[in-house]
Amino acid sequence: AQSVSQHNHHVILSEAASLELGCNYSYGGTVNLFWYVQYPGQHLQLLLKYFSGDPLVKGIKGFEAEFIKSKFSFNLRKPSVQWSDTAEYFCAVNAIGIGAGKSTFGDGTTLTVKP
Amino acid sequence: DTEVTQTPKHLVMGMTNKKSLKCEQHMGHRAMYWYKQKAKKPPELMFVYSYEKLSINESVPSRFSPECPNSSLLNLHLHALQPEDSALYLCASSQRSGSGYTFGSGTRLTVV
Repeated sequence: AQSVSQHNHHVILSEAASLELGCNYSYGGTVNLFWYVQYPGQHLQLLLKYFSGDPLVKGIKGFEAEFIKSKFSFNLRKPSVQWSDTAEYFCAVNAIGIGAGKSTFGDGTTLTVKP
Repeated sequence: DTEVTQTPKHLVMGMTNKKSLKCEQHMGHRAMYWYKQKAKKPPELMFVYSYEKLSINESVPSRFSPECPNSSLLNLHLHALQPEDSALYLCASSQRSGSGYTFGSGTRLTVV
């Protein structure tokens, strides 16, 4: 079964700092990859997704992620964070051909941005 | 309409009660999901419906019973729950299996 590892459990940054959150997965086949965000008191929202093609994908609110197949990674980046980016971030993987659309989530990273 | 609507938002039930959670989407999505989320934890998959048929049951206890009456609706019937079942129950839908989810805001369930 596939698994997802997010290395940073809690990240604290000041506004305007750059962000990179790590995500690694374990599955040798084709995958769809996702980042979801959960702002305080709100529901999970899809931030960005990778299915195929250009490994650098852009999402909402200035976020981007890069798929590196050789490293089984899909790291999330933002050049300059804002206080409003404070949230929980989840990486998720869907292994194509396994589990009929089931996404496996990482444990999440709590991002706190100080004003 | 780009939302997944879940009702009720909050539910308190006793261990002998029977209740149902409801989920509705009108985006034409053909896959719908139930997830359970405990505080500070990732969502855990419970059930997947694809084209109104149950395709995945993640070994969920029988006190949870899903139902998909049509392509827009998903129910979760609850009976004889335990206090450890208290959690946020999330419904999600996707255009097809494997594509990104649209989540509802969840039902916060407390079992007393």
